[in-house]
Amino acid sequence: EIVMTQSPASLSVSPGDRATLSCRASQSVNTNLAWYQQKPGQAPRLLIYDASARATGIPARFSGSGSGTDFTLTISSLQSEDFAVYYCQQYNNWPPYSFGQGTKLEIK
Amino acid sequence: EAQLVQSGAEVKKPGESLKISCKGSGYSFTRYWIAWVRQTPGKGLEWMGIIYPGDSDTRYSPTFQGQVTFSADKSISTAYLQWSSLKASDTALYYCARSGITASGYYMDLWGKGTKVIVS
Repeated sequence: EIVMTQSPASLSVSPGDRATLSCRASQSVNTNLAWYQQKPGQAPRLLIYDASARATGIPARFSGSGSGTDFTLTISSLQSEDFAVYYCQQYNNWPPYSFGQGTKLEIK
Repeated sequence: EAQLVQSGAEVKKPGESLKISCKGSGYSFTRYWIAWVRQTPGKGLEWMGIIYPGDSDTRYSPTFQGQVTFSADKSISTAYLQWSSLKASDTALYYCARSGITASGYYMDLWGKGTKVIVS
């Protein structure tokens, strides 16, 4: 099973600043990686797929990069609605298509 | 508008059986896989497996193999997750989500709102 490790576990950032979230896979997942955003009481929402492609309706301030084992989600200028928990998920090797444990993005 | 509508919250006793549902609409239900995802405070999101409603092909995560059963009724665009004998450790929020967007794209682009299952 591929283990996905996200860092940091939590991140405090001021509105308007840039946030950088990391996700590392225990073995290569090529670019078969997705990022999701989850707000309290809501289902996860797809942000990024194939490591760097934005899902439909996702603002351009969200960007993904990386390949192999190391990936990054960058939010260029944080808005109030961006404070949430972010998960990465690999879909290169199954089962399972494992998730990371999440990074909680908090307002500083 | 494409959506997945999940059945309501359940409160069950250990040893009881349960079947929860996920009804798709606004898209071709048999064209995509449906994934089931468990969420607990302690373990975050866990990918349980997937089912292809077109032919009911299923793939289970090893963690959940033998513990749950996926099924689907394509005539009513509905997927199901069931347990034959619930345990307290099955207490969680369960999501269904559309997956298999492309031949290799098993990310999840459409999610239900989740079904809360409490076993106590």
